[in-house]
Amino acid sequence: DIQMTQSPSTLSASVGDRVTITCRASQSISNWVAWYQQKPGKAPKLLIYKASSLQSGVPSRFSGSGSGTEFTLTISSLQPDDFATYYCQQYNVLYTFGQGTKLEI
Amino acid sequence: QVQLVQSGPEMRKPGASVKVSCKASGYTFTSGTIHWVRQAPGQSLEWLGWINTYNNNIKYSQKIQDRITIIRDTSASTAYMELNSLRSEDTAVYYCAREDILTGHAFDYWGQGTLVTVSS
Repeated sequence: DIQMTQSPSTLSASVGDRVTITCRASQSISNWVAWYQQKPGKAPKLLIYKASSLQSGVPSRFSGSGSGTEFTLTISSLQPDDFATYYCQQYNVLYTFGQGTKLEI
Repeated sequence: QVQLVQSGPEMRKPGASVKVSCKASGYTFTSGTIHWVRQAPGQSLEWLGWINTYNNNIKYSQKIQDRITIIRDTSASTAYMELNSLRSEDTAVYYCAREDILTGHAFDYWGQGTLVTVSS
């Protein structure tokens, strides 16, 4: 199984900050990575697919990069609505999610 | 608009079975693959399996393949996930999600989730 190691597990930041979340795959997965945002009691929401493609309707302050084994999600200027938990997912071989990053104020 | 609407919360005793439904609307049901994902309390997401709603192909997670069954009813635009021999560690919110080729096979729409509680 492909493991996705996500860091940090918790991130404290303020409105307006630039933040980066990292995911490392246990083997090369090309660019088959997605990023999701989840708020308490809600289903995950797709933000980024194929490592760097922005899902329709998602604000441009979200961006993704990486290929192979190292991937990042960047939020350029945090807004109050962005405080949530973020998950990476690989879908190169079956499907695996990272452990999540809780972004808190 | 695309919607996936799941059945309501369930409570079962250990050893019992549960069946969760996922009704799709707003798109052609047979054009996509439906996945099932679960999330135990305070934990990350775990992929369980998928069904190709066009050709009925299925794939299960090796961890759970002996206890899970995923089917679809194209006339009702609904997918179902049944889990047998329930254990306390199966307590989780179960989600269905659509995989779409236009989003590079990521999961672009999700159901609202169904809480399954397993307790004696």
